[in-house]
Formats: sequence, C-alpha cells, structure tokens
Amino acid sequence: KNEVEQSPQNLTAQEGEFITINCSYSVGISALHWLQQHPGGGIVSLFMLSSGKKKHGRLIATINIQEKHSSLHITASHPRDSAVYICAVPYSGAGSYQLTFGKGTKLSVIP
Amino acid sequence: DGGITQSPKYLFRKEGQNVTLSCEQNLNHDAMYWYRQDPGQGLRLIYYSQIVNDFQKGDIAEGYSVSREKKESFPLTVTSAQKNPTAFYLCASTWTLGNYEQYFGPGTRLTVT
Repeated sequence: KNEVEQSPQNLTAQEGEFITINCSYSVGISALHWLQQHPGGGIVSLFMLSSGKKKHGRLIATINIQEKHSSLHITASHPRDSAVYICAVPYSGAGSYQLTFGKGTKLSVIP
Repeated sequence: DGGITQSPKYLFRKEGQNVTLSCEQNLNHDAMYWYRQDPGQGLRLIYYSQIVNDFQKGDIAEGYSVSREKKESFPLTVTSAQKNPTAFYLCASTWTLGNYEQYFGPGTRLTVT
C-alpha cells in the first residue's frame, strides 16, 4: 500500500503570504491529486498531475516523480483559502484504481 | 447541474439501530465510492462499485453494507455491528474505475449515541 505523508499538519499564515504544502509518497505512481476540503466538509478537486507543474489562478502544484514528492503552493494567500488540503495517490502504485489519502494540512489564513 | 448529492447533511441515531446514508449522482459515472473520515485521519475506503449490481469491500468494510441497483445510486447502510459509527461519510464517483479524478458529495455527518 502506498504511504502518504503530508507536511505540515497545521499552518497559519498572514494574508498575502506565500504558502507551501508538501506531500511525499512511498510507491511510484502515474498521477497525484490535490484536493481542498472546505470547513463545511465538501471536497473539491484542485489538480490532478502526473509530471511537472500545473497552475490555476493563485494555486500551483508541482510533482517530482523520481523523488516521489509533490508540493502545493498558494501565492498571495487570502482568508478564503482557509481549508484542509489533501493529497491523494493511487493505492498501490501505477495501475491501481483506488486512492490512498494523506491526513491533510489545515491552513488558516489570518487577515 | 450535474453533481453528487448526499442526504441528510446531519444524521443522529441511537446505538443499535441500522441507518442508511443516501448517495445519488447524475454525472453518468460508472464507479462510485464510500469513504469515512475521522478527525486527524485520511479518508478511508469503505466500499466501491464499478458497475451496477457489483461492489467490492474497501479497507474498513466491517459493519457496513451497500447496494448498487441503479447506476445513479449507491446507498450505504451503517449496521449495528459497526463498533464506532460516529464519523463523517463521503461519497464519490468517477467515470471508470481507472480514472483517478473523483468527484465528491457534500458528506453526511453521522452521530450515534
């Protein structure tokens, strides 16, 4: 089973700061998910990436397949970015159809 | 609008009672999933289904049951055999089992006392 570690567990930032959340996994994969869970509990998919970098607005996700590591960056953070950010990877490597999830990083952005 | 609905948002039950959580999707997705989320833990897979009338156990299926009689619906029953049923339950779906991009419902928070 793929093991997923996220860091930090909790993160508090001042509005405008640059944020980085990290995700490491143990078994080689074909794609990685970044998800956002709002305080109400709903989850939305932010990115699915298999190589390089993806950007959507102020969010940037990068992945290094060789190092089994991905980062999620938020530029010019805003209080509405406050949420739990979750990394998910295939359960047992490329070709596995189930996902295994990190425990999440709780981000609080203070005005 | 396409999406996944879960009802109710909050559910309260007495210990010893079975309870069924609803999950409906109109995305025409083949695969559907049930996850459980506890504080400080990642989502854990309870059951998943690739097609109608077929479903597989996930990591923590004990004390739960599911059915998939229609493509759109994947209800989860939390039975009295589930030792610690209080949790947040999330339903998800995707086009095929090999597609990693899962769409999630809003979740149901179940409290059993």
